[in-house]
This record gives sequence, C-alpha cells and structure tokens, in this order.
Amino acid sequence: DQQVKQNSPSLSVQEGRISILNCDYTNSMFDYFLWYKKYPAEGPTFLISISSIKDKNEDGRFTVFLNKSAKHLSLHIVPSQPGDSAVYFCAAPSYNTDKLIFGTGTRLQVFP
Amino acid sequence: DVKVTQSSRYLVKRTGEKVFLECVQDMDHENMFWYRQDPGLGLRLIYFSYDVKMKEKGDIPEGYSVSREKKERFSLILESASTNQTSMYLCASSPPKTGRNSPLHFGNGTRLTVT
Repeated sequence: DQQVKQNSPSLSVQEGRISILNCDYTNSMFDYFLWYKKYPAEGPTFLISISSIKDKNEDGRFTVFLNKSAKHLSLHIVPSQPGDSAVYFCAAPSYNTDKLIFGTGTRLQVFP
Repeated sequence: DVKVTQSSRYLVKRTGEKVFLECVQDMDHENMFWYRQDPGLGLRLIYFSYDVKMKEKGDIPEGYSVSREKKERFSLILESASTNQTSMYLCASSPPKTGRNSPLHFGNGTRLTVT
C-alpha cells in the first residue's frame, strides 16, 4: 500500500524554466509533508516542508503547494538550474509512529 | 552540523555471507533508521530504533536484523546475504517527532553488491 505516490519517474526541464514535481497521498491523517533531494552517491538532504495548516511554503527558488482536498502537493523550482538535477522524494511522517514514509522519487534533469 | 557516518561506501559480498553495515551519528539523536533505495521503489524502511536496545520493524524487515547497543550507533545485519539484497543502504537519524520538528539526516549510503 503506497501511501505516498510520485507518478512521474522522471522530468526534463530547460535551464531557467519552471520545474514542477508532483506528489499524491492517500492517508488523510498526514499533517506534515517534506521534500528531499538526492544526488547520486550521496544521502538525501532535506529541502523544504509544509504543515497541513498551510497551503503554501516558500524558500528562495523552492515553493511547495498543498491541496488537502485533492490530497496532492507539488514542488515548484523557479528558475531551474543544472545543479537542481537530482532525484526528489516527497515524504510524510506516519501519524502514529515516528517514521517517514517516502514516495518513489522523481528524477529531475535540468539541461542548458 | 549533524553528521551521520556509514562505515563503508561500497561493499561486495558473496551469497550466504553475514554482512554488517555500521552507522554512527554525532548529534545525540534518539531515533535512528535504516532504509534501502532501489530504482522505481523509492526509499523503503527496513528497521528503526527510538532508543538504545530498542528496535521496531519497518516495511521490509525480512532477512535483516539490527543492533543498537549505544545511542550513537545503529548496525544493520544481513544474516545470510542474498542477491536480492543488492541495493543502496541509507542510515538516518533524528530527534523525536521525526519529520515534524526536525527532518531526517542521512548518511552518504553504502552500495552493497551481493554476488
């Protein structure tokens, strides 16, 4: 049972344009969401998060939007840069235990 | 800055061998986790621990065990390695309320190949 889903395994975007990465979830008890970024041969690093009491959180070029009624969140990167090329995971803390549930990831490639 | 150190970046083991993956964190975090990453499957939780000598099964514990004798160290053990355990293994740590008050901090991973 995949509670956090990323249906696009890959995305290719030109440098300077917007990248939009999507994530869907099934459990309405989730109250917090995070995005992680992973380069090859490195561990994932925390990027940005959002609480379910908000519908938007912004940090520099990165903005996360949350649509609770649709159980959908998205990560916008504007403008995209070649250094943003990585695998992006969305995640949610389990509502009854202290662990994170991750999606399957989206590989973003930003080309010049 | 939190540092999570995994003892090996690359390991090659034979089928049937007992394999130990070691992880140490330097921030006195209560929670520690072992994930594996496989293409198309994302990050899947193997085991986690809230405290010394305490462990909880994650989503895919079969074929694995763990040990947490000291707060800073969390070991993953493959009792009898099999080829389907070839993967990238990631250790992580956090204070309590993982994800809400503090995100997970990951090590750089161990790429294990079982032949």
